[in-house]
Amino acid sequence: KQEVTQIPAALSVPEGENLVLNCSFTDSAIYNLQWFRQDPGKGLTSLLLIQSSQREQTSGRLNASLDKSSGRSTLYIAASQPGDSATYLCAAPLETSGSRLTFGEGTQLTVNP
Amino acid sequence: KAGVTQTPRYLIKTRGQQVTLSCSPISGHRSVSWYQQTPGQGLQFLFEYFSETQRNKGNFPGRFSGRQFSNSRSEMNVSTLELGDSALYLCASSAGLAGYNEQFFGPGTRLTVL
Repeated sequence: KQEVTQIPAALSVPEGENLVLNCSFTDSAIYNLQWFRQDPGKGLTSLLLIQSSQREQTSGRLNASLDKSSGRSTLYIAASQPGDSATYLCAAPLETSGSRLTFGEGTQLTVNP
Repeated sequence: KAGVTQTPRYLIKTRGQQVTLSCSPISGHRSVSWYQQTPGQGLQFLFEYFSETQRNKGNFPGRFSGRQFSNSRSEMNVSTLELGDSALYLCASSAGLAGYNEQFFGPGTRLTVL
């Protein structure tokens, strides 16, 4: 079964810490992978999209990498802030699902002041 | 450029009723996808419309249907509501086919079925 998994399910860190969120997928032929942020009760905000031909993408304090051969993507957040507290989801269009996105279950991040 | 908008934002219905949700994509986007989000099941894909045609459908019963208009706006309809349909319904738009292009999500419609 093609799927996307995220570890850990929850993470609590002190403000200022650098952290890494992990995303694993079973389809090495993915076309791209997208990272989202979701605040409680809200919609998803697109953070980064990595195309299969890319190894990484950066936006401000965020850096996402993609390793298709190992089926892994990581989201690195530098100098975390309380405002970074949210659920982070990764998603990819998996081979057997056509063009639709398959989402991981998310990592709930809490950054403590 | 305005983002994806969804109406209504909140909805309360009773079992057996039907409901219609609306999604207006980002201007110029031709693909609209719908997702259901619940605490137990996470984000589940409902369907995708591209240029008024349903391109992909998730594993939901026929009570869930949708359509897309020539201006790319999309509606989703749920008939004979059940308690388990209570969820946050999210739509996303992309310039091209979902999965091949960056998707942008709306704020969602919170549906509560009593």
